Amino acid sequence: DAGVIQSPRHEVTEMGQEVTLRCKPISGHDYLFWYRQTMMRGLELLIYFNNNVPIDDSGMPEDRFSAKMPNASFSTLKIQPSEPRDSAVYFCASRAGGDDGYTFGSGTRLTVV
Amino acid sequence: GENVEQHPSTLSVQEGDSAVIKCTYSDSASNYFPWYKQELGKGPQLIIDIRSNVGEKKDQRIAVTLNKTAKHFSLHITETQPEDSAVYFCAASSTGGFKTIFGAGTRLFVKA
Repeated sequence: DAGVIQSPRHEVTEMGQEVTLRCKPISGHDYLFWYRQTMMRGLELLIYFNNNVPIDDSGMPEDRFSAKMPNASFSTLKIQPSEPRDSAVYFCASRAGGDDGYTFGSGTRLTVV
Repeated sequence: GENVEQHPSTLSVQEGDSAVIKCTYSDSASNYFPWYKQELGKGPQLIIDIRSNVGEKKDQRIAVTLNKTAKHFSLHITETQPEDSAVYFCAASSTGGFKTIFGAGTRLFVKA
């Protein structure tokens, strides 16, 4: 298995632009999580899905952030419009229903200038 | 709210020495405690976990201990090697792991 695949690995964009981060979870994993990592706040859960349905988005910082999971093999996290304070590493993780440990992707490093 | 505190934030040891990282949690409903290792440029990787019905678990050079009464759990790495250098995160969650709360991380340096 190739693991959790995220793209792009790096994204540099100008303030005000739309940014879309992508994630392909491990096949058969029915939970998908989006995390944001910064030096100041550590790992923060933004949103998670179960069987493609958003369950808890209380960690999404603002309405500028949105996430979708149109099918079991793909999810997106969108920021529109982006701001410099959104600069961080964004991780996607997936988990099988009968398990507790997460498998993380390699992350997307987002820089908003 | 739920909180996981992790200490120390930075730890430097000589190769071959042991390293210990300690965490405390606040939610008494927590019953699953994973540890993740994050190497530079990579995502966190699960290295070991422990459940609340177990006091200690060992896997080669790493071991975890849990004291539910005190709400403490620890990671022990023996015979450290340079490749153990990374950031280590503890975490706590209740059954299902939906709301996993992570500690702030410990940056471990193993000096050759």
